[in-house]
Amino acid sequence: GEEVAQTPKHLVRGEGQKAKLYCAPIKGHSYVFWYQQVLKNEFKFLISFQNENVFDETGMPKERFSAKCLPNSPCSLEIQATKLEDSAVYFCASSRSRGIGSYNEQFFGPGTRLTVL
Amino acid sequence: AQSVTQLDSHVSVSEGTPVLLRCNYSSSYSPSLFWYVQHPNKGLQLLLKYTSAATLVKGINGFEAEFKKSETSFHLTKPSAHMSDAAEYFCVVSGSGSARQLTFGSGTQLTVLP
Repeated sequence: GEEVAQTPKHLVRGEGQKAKLYCAPIKGHSYVFWYQQVLKNEFKFLISFQNENVFDETGMPKERFSAKCLPNSPCSLEIQATKLEDSAVYFCASSRSRGIGSYNEQFFGPGTRLTVL
Repeated sequence: AQSVTQLDSHVSVSEGTPVLLRCNYSSSYSPSLFWYVQHPNKGLQLLLKYTSAATLVKGINGFEAEFKKSETSFHLTKPSAHMSDAAEYFCVVSGSGSARQLTFGSGTQLTVLP
């Protein structure tokens, strides 16, 4: 597609429950990124993929967060045993492959708002 | 490592007057710089980008920004504010190549008064 798609738009979970978020990158984009927007302004990088391979996971809380990008499937971000502080908007972004004269513009999806009660 | 500082958390202007949103960056290599806008309960929309071509970058909706290496600045301007410009604006820096994470500034809330 021409836009990054994210589902669901809203997700409500009780503390300790699992949450799974999905992202379909723009067709032809090889890189996928996940960001967490906590409160109003703080964006935190979580993880990036190059196709189905993890490229950079330095922002991931390893204990409860995991992510995948499998061929012919939407990418996913899963949180096991959610905590109150996981409440945030999770954005997915995608960008094109590297190439001559390319630049790293990331196109963002509309986000998934996760509320942990 | 790179970082971004947005110098104003809130800016308030009257409709029809100029807008200036300030951003300073720090990067150990030649950066790519972006301004994104986020309207309430919406996603992020790219306003403009600097990628080592022209230092004066024109974006959508009449916005533009000038890359000043000597001042490590990338301020966003618009000659005449419109009510629809009221939103949160983020200055963002990235390294070279497609697979670099973005580093966001803390955002500037723009209020446009009638």
